[in-house]
Amino acid sequence: DVKVTQSSRYLVKRTGEKVFLECVQDMDHENMFWYRQDPGLGLRLIYFSYDVKMKEKGDIPEGYSVSREKKERFSLILESASTNQTSMYLCASKRDSIYNEQFFGPGTRLTVL
Amino acid sequence: GQQVMQIPQYQHVQEGEDFTTYCNSSTTLSNIQWYKQRPGGHPVFLIQLVKSGEVKKQKRLTFQFGEAKKNSSLHITATQTTDVGTYFCAVEGAQKLVFGQGTRLTINP
Repeated sequence: DVKVTQSSRYLVKRTGEKVFLECVQDMDHENMFWYRQDPGLGLRLIYFSYDVKMKEKGDIPEGYSVSREKKERFSLILESASTNQTSMYLCASKRDSIYNEQFFGPGTRLTVL
Repeated sequence: GQQVMQIPQYQHVQEGEDFTTYCNSSTTLSNIQWYKQRPGGHPVFLIQLVKSGEVKKQKRLTFQFGEAKKNSSLHITATQTTDVGTYFCAVEGAQKLVFGQGTRLTINP
């Protein structure tokens, strides 16, 4: 079974702090994704990566950056956290551009005070 | 960019009643996926539909893809409490998935 893990289930940070959210997948998947999920807004794509060191902006990249130095790891960075970034963050991976099924991690609930 | 509308946003049923959620697009889709998210959980892939008019079944769940490949539905027959959760459709666009807003299903036992 594919396993996608995220570094924290719950995180509380203060406004202005730099925040790192880590995601690791163990099935050698090429594509990885970061979403945020908010009530009434569904899942919105922040950034994705289809290869090591490659990144593409999703629908809501403002205020975020990403890093993919190794194939199995995809990090989401909030350079200066703000209260409107309080949300559930979900990481996902999929095998490649042909196979469409995405596998999600358990999520990180981030609260910015 | 690619968009998909999903309705209804919420549905509350008595256990044993049927449930249906719909997804609609203004453009022709190459495929559509369905995911389920249990309360407190993460989305889990259910199925992908590719062909025009395709119908697939998974036990009490029936998935349909419209003839014009612009709409899709998920129907659950005789709901059980284990069906509680939010059901999302998702469509492919430029190497990424675009999710519908989801239909949250609650069930009165």
